[in-house]
Amino acid sequence: SQTIHQWPATLVQPVGSPLSLECTVEGTSNPNLYWYRQAAGRGLQLLFYSVGIGQISSEVPQNLSASRPQDRQFILSSKKLLLSDSGFYLCAWSQQGGNQPQHFGDGTRLSIL
Amino acid sequence: DQQVKQNSPSLSVQEGRISILNCDYTNSMFDYFLWYKKYPAEGPTFLISISSIKDKNEDGRFTVFLNKSAKHLSLHIVPSQPGDSAVYFCAASAWTNAGKSTFGDGTTLTVKP
Repeated sequence: SQTIHQWPATLVQPVGSPLSLECTVEGTSNPNLYWYRQAAGRGLQLLFYSVGIGQISSEVPQNLSASRPQDRQFILSSKKLLLSDSGFYLCAWSQQGGNQPQHFGDGTRLSIL
Repeated sequence: DQQVKQNSPSLSVQEGRISILNCDYTNSMFDYFLWYKKYPAEGPTFLISISSIKDKNEDGRFTVFLNKSAKHLSLHIVPSQPGDSAVYFCAASAWTNAGKSTFGDGTTLTVKP
């Protein structure tokens, strides 16, 4: 069966520090991969998605970047965190093709001080 | 412009009764609709979906209804159980959009024993 791992579960970082959140998927190949951010009381905002290695699409301009160095690995990064980067970050995968459900990791709660 | 709206932030029902969660969308290109359930500090879990060629899909206690002319869908849970208490997200996608989904802001369901 397929599983998705996302870490760390919580992270506290100072303003201006770098960020690296990692997500890996097991049990499937060539998945679509997604990074979301959820603000308190709001829905999921899609930040990045990837349909293959090295293929990244950004949905909103921001202080973050994403990379997909391997088929089942998706990394969310920042060179210098801002206060506004605080939030709950979720990684997800889906099968290739349209109209497939997404499967989420347990998320990372990021607090910027 | 929010393309998927869940106008009720919260809903409270008695155990054993029906829970009805509603969702409206504006983009006529959406052709696949999903419901996700989310517990605190966890990622959303896929619950049930419906294609635009159908108007009803049932899975156990969960039924999703789609009214394309009204651009409205609803999730019915019968009978409701205390373990159903969670945040429910409605999402919509279009076949041509690389599997990306647009999410509503969620409805918090509380089922009272």
